[in-house]
Amino acid sequence: AQSVTQLGSHVSVSEGALVLLRCNYSSSVPPYLFWYVQYPNQGLQLLLKYTSAATLVKGINGFEAEFKKSETSFHLTKPSAHMSDAAEYFCAVTQRAGANNLFFGTGTRLTVIP
Amino acid sequence: GAGVSQSPSNKVTEKGKDVELRCDPISGHTALYWYRQSLGQGLEFLIYFQGNSAPDKSGLPSDRFSAERTGGSVSTLTIQRTQQEDSAVYLCASSPLDRGSGETQYFGPGTRLLVL
Repeated sequence: AQSVTQLGSHVSVSEGALVLLRCNYSSSVPPYLFWYVQYPNQGLQLLLKYTSAATLVKGINGFEAEFKKSETSFHLTKPSAHMSDAAEYFCAVTQRAGANNLFFGTGTRLTVIP
Repeated sequence: GAGVSQSPSNKVTEKGKDVELRCDPISGHTALYWYRQSLGQGLEFLIYFQGNSAPDKSGLPSDRFSAERTGGSVSTLTIQRTQQEDSAVYLCASSPLDRGSGETQYFGPGTRLLVL
């Protein structure tokens, strides 16, 4: 079975500060891992994904995430927050074979303080 | 090209009525997924279609929920005898060829369902 845990339902950072959104996964098989962003009243948009190539994955809008097998983590970071980064962020996992559906975390709402 | 589209964008219905939600996937995408986003349950998988294979219905919460995909393209999610706990945003996603689950899923804007 697969699952993800996102620590912190709400995170606030100042504009220009480091963004760190945490995600830990549980999977009985090597996972594929994803980060999606949802802006207000919009659908989910893929930020980045890990599919077994490089463990440090770079995504859109300056975000990146590092797959750490030993820690079962896939934390999302951005060096300098921008006001436009305010949104809800979802970590998701799926397995490499068989079922294709995504298992989502409960989401983290990011607020950027000017 | 066009993304995933869903209709209606909002639907208000009375308890006990049936509703149909529509999803138009990205042209050429063989896989189609339905998810539900609600305050109490977060984002939940409902059903998955891949090509002509039998759908994976393992996420459907009850037999009041059903979905079909006609001609490998448009999909309709039907909820019969709606209940207030069915109120949620229903999201559809599509992805290209299935290569072992690493394919990106592209999401539509969702249908916001409110059951009174």
